[in-house]
Amino acid sequence: EDQVTQSPEALRLQEGESSSLNCSYTVSGLRGLFWYRQDPGKGPEFLFTLYSAGEEKEKERLKATLTKKESFLHITAPKPEDSATYLCAVQALSGGYNKLIFGAGTRLAVHP
Amino acid sequence: DVKVTQSSRYLVKRTGEKVFLECVQDMDHENMFWYRQDPGLGLRLIYFSYDVKMKEKGDIPEGYSVSREKKERFSLILESASTNQTSMYLCASRKLMQAGGHETQYFGPGTRLLVL
Repeated sequence: EDQVTQSPEALRLQEGESSSLNCSYTVSGLRGLFWYRQDPGKGPEFLFTLYSAGEEKEKERLKATLTKKESFLHITAPKPEDSATYLCAVQALSGGYNKLIFGAGTRLAVHP
Repeated sequence: DVKVTQSSRYLVKRTGEKVFLECVQDMDHENMFWYRQDPGLGLRLIYFSYDVKMKEKGDIPEGYSVSREKKERFSLILESASTNQTSMYLCASRKLMQAGGHETQYFGPGTRLLVL
């Protein structure tokens, strides 16, 4: 069964304290791994897509990496405005269609 | 910039009412999706549409129906709202994926529905 697991469920950091969020997955036919940011009461905002093991993408203080079994979202020197829920999703072929399978998310709180 | 809009940010309905949630995208995307998001359960796919007048059931279609009469608009219908349909509803759109291709889903702001 295709599955996406994110850890930790919640993470509290001090401003400037770097850390990583994990997304592990088991899918039969990976067609991309996506990271989204979601602020409370809003829709997910697209951050990155990774397609193959070894690929890395960066945006400001965020860096996403991908292996054959997991992805990491590294946050370097976070600021309070980085506080949000970070969602990981994998695109897989399921029932003849390309579907996004989401993890439950990691709630990140960055305190000054 | 991709823009996906949803007709309401908040809705309060009574049990048994028929509810319409509207979604419009302005990027000429072929594919559109409806999800619901509940604490601890993540995003779950209700229905999707690969093109105009086409629809496919997602993982949790029971109690819902959809309509796609125009390419830019995808409607989610709750035929008879129930309290267990209280949730955050998210619409998304995506350009048609070619074989072996990769495309991104873009989300609207969400509609928070409360059924009393």
